[in-house]
Amino acid sequence: NAGVMQNPRHLVRRRGQEARLRCSPMKGHSHVYWYRQLPEEGLKFMVYLQKENIIDESGMPKERFSAEFPKEGPSILRIQQVVRGDSAAYFCASSHSNQPQHFGDGTRLSIL
Amino acid sequence: ELKVEQNPLFLSMQEGKNYTIYCNYSTTSDRLYWYRQDPGKSLESLFVLLSNGAVKQEGRLMASLDTKARLSTLHITAAVHDLSATYFCAVIETSGSRLTFGEGTQLTVNP
Repeated sequence: NAGVMQNPRHLVRRRGQEARLRCSPMKGHSHVYWYRQLPEEGLKFMVYLQKENIIDESGMPKERFSAEFPKEGPSILRIQQVVRGDSAAYFCASSHSNQPQHFGDGTRLSIL
Repeated sequence: ELKVEQNPLFLSMQEGKNYTIYCNYSTTSDRLYWYRQDPGKSLESLFVLLSNGAVKQEGRLMASLDTKARLSTLHITAAVHDLSATYFCAVIETSGSRLTFGEGTQLTVNP
């Protein structure tokens, strides 16, 4: 039973480029969460999605960031026109209804 | 806004010693989690505490929850080097879904 799969594990982008982070939830899970971890800090909530719906995006920056969880395929976190401050580890978690969240291995994003 | 505070943030201890990490949170919650994170790795779930007075133990780690005091503790007994990691507590507000994390406690166990 595969866990939460994130790819890529590491992503390097130059300032101004776009970054796309993918997350495939655990089988049977329809709830997906994205969190960001800056160096030496805890995880901060970004967005919570269910299939085709954004439930809570109160942690998302208002500009350049977007997330989707289509009916078919993985959840995507997109960052447009990246800046140095976007460098962080981005973790995806999934759950079934109100059950505990399971975390993926994260994508480490580095901005040159 | 829910706030979660851990202390200490840094903990250096000798093997064989005992210590407790504290986690305070600011609003009502019925679910509290403890995670372990090794450098460059993901989060490993350690404990889920769902009710007042809940106590769970796994090996040298024991977690407890006091919902009235809005306090959870993670107690380490007879520490060993393999326990060196960062430990996070995280809380879900009553009727909420997202996790709010503490700042983490970076534990180093010295031989």
